[in-house]
Amino acid sequence: DGGITQSPKYLFRKEGQNVTLSCEQNLNHDAMYWYRQDPGQGLRLIYYSQIVNDFQKGDIAEGYSVSREKKESFPLTVTSAQKNPTAFYLCASGRQPQHFGDGTRLSIL
Amino acid sequence: QQQVKQSPQSLIVQKGGISIINCAYENTAFDYFPWYQQFPGKGPALLIAIRPDVSEKKEGRFTISFNKSAKQFSLHIMDSQPGDSATYFCAASFNDYKLSFGAGTTVTVRA
Repeated sequence: DGGITQSPKYLFRKEGQNVTLSCEQNLNHDAMYWYRQDPGQGLRLIYYSQIVNDFQKGDIAEGYSVSREKKESFPLTVTSAQKNPTAFYLCASGRQPQHFGDGTRLSIL
Repeated sequence: QQQVKQSPQSLIVQKGGISIINCAYENTAFDYFPWYQQFPGKGPALLIAIRPDVSEKKEGRFTISFNKSAKQFSLHIMDSQPGDSATYFCAASFNDYKLSFGAGTTVTVRA
């Protein structure tokens, strides 16, 4: 089945720790995105990538980093610099429409 | 600042009724307006989308109405069913790219 796989489904971060969220797609899409979802705020764009080995900051990139070494993979690292990381993180791929994974819920220990 | 404003924040409708969600935008460069449906613990899924050269698009019980001059678009859910209970997001983009999302509307359909 074609789709987007995000893992893990739940993740806990300790103070001062970096954590990495995985996103894999087998839709052969060039474009991939990371969004953060908070209650009542919709989805906000963290980073996006139009092609392998290239990515751009979105609206709320501070405290996050990404890489795009393979077309099918776009991992997101939530660094210790992100002071309020508790949120639902969504990965997407494609253009008009974008297809979404089922998210990773990150919480602070 | 939020480029797409969505209302209401939540609504309750009886089974068989009509749900209406409204969105407004400022950027006249937007050329693609999708609506997404999201269930708890899941990612959003595309419901229906429209481009500004069309004033209305219907797919089953879901209809988008688009008013280019007013920079507004809305989603109508006809004959609402309990399975339609979800959060709905409007969005907008230009040049096939970054989506700007509304804040979402939680729809509850009472049986």
